[in-house]
Amino acid sequence: DADVTQTPRNRITKTGKRIMLECSQTKGHDRMYWYRQDPGLGLRLIYYSFDVKDINKGEISDGYSVSRQAQAKFSLSLESAIPNQTALYFCATSGTGTENTGELFFGEGSRLTVL
Amino acid sequence: AQSVTQLDSQVPVFEEAPVELRCNYSSSVSVYLFWYVQYPNQGLQLLLKYLSGSTLVKGINGFEAEFNKSQTSFHLRKPSVHISDTAEYFCAVTRGGFQKLVFGTGTRLLVSP
Repeated sequence: DADVTQTPRNRITKTGKRIMLECSQTKGHDRMYWYRQDPGLGLRLIYYSFDVKDINKGEISDGYSVSRQAQAKFSLSLESAIPNQTALYFCATSGTGTENTGELFFGEGSRLTVL
Repeated sequence: AQSVTQLDSQVPVFEEAPVELRCNYSSSVSVYLFWYVQYPNQGLQLLLKYLSGSTLVKGINGFEAEFNKSQTSFHLRKPSVHISDTAEYFCAVTRGGFQKLVFGTGTRLLVSP
């Protein structure tokens, strides 16, 4: 089983609908991230969380919200989806202290299409 | 603000040929540098990283990269590629902390027989 699991892997929805993308991890990491990947733009950070009580906006947080339900779970919500939020979304984790290997660990991605 | 430039959006090569994927960054201070690989329908995984020390960094699958501070570059190389190396490669840089990590736009490596 993957260490960082994203659900759903694929989702097609309509403009105005509320969408939640979920991420769970078994790595025991405190730090979790949500990225968006668009062709030709690379990855851009949406939100990040350093622990359950810590939530921070990233580069492109407008139109998104997040929830850190537990150390292992970090959800991304689109309250009212719009077509330009069509993208591939990645969750990632990183360790701290002795668990910090200088590496981000990624899920397999959630492809979202907004019609 | 930091930026990362991957000059080539796509690099086609033949199997067993050498390859270099270019990455330049803009920063006047010390940075940490990374190369990640994304195979089709998968997430990104770390190929190699430069945090400090030797400027020649060896990674997984026979890849290596050299940190060149004077040219602000961190080019990725492999002496002989395989079909299985077909993937997208991302260069990334941070001055500290993954929350400040900036990714390049990616280079798609296409290896043909």
